[in-house]
Amino acid sequence: EPEVTQTPSHQVTQMGQEVILRCVPISNHLYFYWYRQILGQKVEFLVSFYNNEISEKSEIFDDQFSVERPDGSNFTLKIRSTKLEDSAMYFCASKEAGTGKYGYTFGSGTRLTVV
Amino acid sequence: AQTVTQSQPEMSVQEAETVTLSCTYDTSESDYYLFWYKQPPSRQMILVIRQEAYKQQNATENRFSVNFQKAAKSFSLKISDSQLGDAAMYFCAYLTGTYKYIFGTGTRLKVLA
Repeated sequence: EPEVTQTPSHQVTQMGQEVILRCVPISNHLYFYWYRQILGQKVEFLVSFYNNEISEKSEIFDDQFSVERPDGSNFTLKIRSTKLEDSAMYFCASKEAGTGKYGYTFGSGTRLTVV
Repeated sequence: AQTVTQSQPEMSVQEAETVTLSCTYDTSESDYYLFWYKQPPSRQMILVIRQEAYKQQNATENRFSVNFQKAAKSFSLKISDSQLGDAAMYFCAYLTGTYKYIFGTGTRLKVLA
């Protein structure tokens, strides 16, 4: 079964450093998403991306965040200057064209720890 | 704006017994999709079951079924013949018209041997 692949599985970074979280969506999917889950809390939407531009973003997705699809396969989330409160699990997801009745396919997540 | 509420932070069930996890939501849309996701300790998000709002028939997937009450905006998950591997965090989710998930706060399910 096709998978969404996220790398790395765990990243530790110093506060103030830039991090890039990488995702390889399913090849024929056209819609891409990032979600965040702070430990012990619910999963929250960050951003959706379609046709090489952001479709929707949440209040969490401020100027320190950016997304990019640098080539035909990768989808990245960059956090420019990390804060302690950015420590969380970050999930990438992708969806094929058409209705949302089947939901998304989520990746297994990247655990980001900011120290 | 849509909201999703899971009022049970934690539930316990004996192995082989049945448990129901509650979820309510609020929306002004008439057509939408609802989902239950399982998150084991690995923290991966695993789709358990989905329901299309315009379908009156409740969805079932093997031991998992839902009780969808559209008028009451209720979407509960029933797990029959509970197994140790069912122990996880369960999230109810609403898919918006822009294909964004709104998740509930989750219910931690413990399965007792």
